[in-house]
Amino acid sequence: GAGVSQSPSNKVTEKGKDVELRCDPISGHTALYWYRQRLGQGLEFLIYFQGNSAPDKSGLPSDRFSAERTGESVSTLTIQRTQQEDSAVYLCASSLELKAFFGQGTRLTVV
Amino acid sequence: GQSLEQPSEVTAVEGAIVQINCTYQTSGFYGLSWYQQHDGGAPTFLSYNGLDGLEETGRFSSFLSRSDSYGYLLLQELQMKDSASYFCAVSQAAGNKLTFGGGTRVLVKP
Repeated sequence: GAGVSQSPSNKVTEKGKDVELRCDPISGHTALYWYRQRLGQGLEFLIYFQGNSAPDKSGLPSDRFSAERTGESVSTLTIQRTQQEDSAVYLCASSLELKAFFGQGTRLTVV
Repeated sequence: GQSLEQPSEVTAVEGAIVQINCTYQTSGFYGLSWYQQHDGGAPTFLSYNGLDGLEETGRFSSFLSRSDSYGYLLLQELQMKDSASYFCAVSQAAGNKLTFGGGTRVLVKP
């Protein structure tokens, strides 16, 4: 595609429910990143995929968070048993080398 | 691990020049990038420095000193549309994960 696509753009969920966020990276980009951004805050690293290497999961805040990527294509970020503190914008980015391209993000609200 | 420090907010008037500093500590360093993010929007790439020195792209320039673990973004001839948050980010290798600073919010006043 022309850019990084994320879906849904907005998600409201009840506390305790599971949610799945999707990211379609730019075709051919080997690296894919997930970040979390709370209102007015910086970008908090969550997880990083690079080709067929083992993902860097060092930023996942708890075992309720997991992510998968199929080859060099779509990635899903799953949050289980959501809590109010999970409310944030979740941004996905992909890159080939030095320049990362971001999607518009998924705004998650846990009520 | 990595840590990056940048000022939280800068205010300036149209036509002025703003410099946003970024100092970093990282185990292994490949390059320093800058991204712009307007409210409600996605971060967009502005510039990259892999070697010491100044990179110029129109009204924006970025500088890196590897020996000082320091870089800056220079915004010249400020325009109202430059009001946004600016993030520095370090990468440890080509295509490696990007670690971002907390961002500097730039407010441009008439």
